[in-house]
Amino acid sequence: DSGVTQTPKHLITATGQRVTLRCSPRSGDLSVYWYQQSLDQGLQFLIQYYNGEERAKGNILERFSAQQFPDLHSELNLSSLELGDSALYFCASSPDRGVSSPLHFGNGTRLTVT
Amino acid sequence: TQLLEQSPQFLSIQEGENLTVYCNSSSVFSSLQWYRQEPGEGPVLLVTVVTGGEVKKLKRLTFQFGDARKDSSLHITAAQPGDTGLYLCAGASGYGGSQGNLIFGKGTKLSVKP
Repeated sequence: DSGVTQTPKHLITATGQRVTLRCSPRSGDLSVYWYQQSLDQGLQFLIQYYNGEERAKGNILERFSAQQFPDLHSELNLSSLELGDSALYFCASSPDRGVSSPLHFGNGTRLTVT
Repeated sequence: TQLLEQSPQFLSIQEGENLTVYCNSSSVFSSLQWYRQEPGEGPVLLVTVVTGGEVKKLKRLTFQFGDARKDSSLHITAAQPGDTGLYLCAGASGYGGSQGNLIFGKGTKLSVKP
């Protein structure tokens, strides 16, 4: 058990809809990362938050947004969903903001857009 | 754009065989991490290598970081069915607390048959 909790585990929704994925980091970890994993693209970095502030941005679409709350949990909002957004979405946490810190991953949310 | 190429993409072997998987890039990384991911779970960190030429051993797994810090290999001796999974390498482009991305390869899917 990595200590990182992601909910929900599975999500099925229709195109055009909006969903929110939730992540609780390991106790004491200040950084939260969001990754998208698909069969053809592998693990793609979306965004990182450190102690409530955006730290680094990757290949995140404008339709996607995230935030980290004062209690350090994070939410990833996906809107105007398209079929191509179907993927596994992982949250990971680490104690500090450095990119070299090992990441502890949750078990992901599997999003299916129909 | 930094890319990490992993090979082979798929590997199916019998229990007791040895294998090596590779992680290559044209970019220099400050450190490189190896993760293993099992179905339905998030990646789990196996090791971090930092120094060019570094070799680290984890039981039957041997990890090497290339002298130029552009490539890495993972060698498994006497593979067991429990080694089955997706092996991911991830390169860090920043140092310490500097901002940067952790770039993941697409992985090597290993299947060890009893």
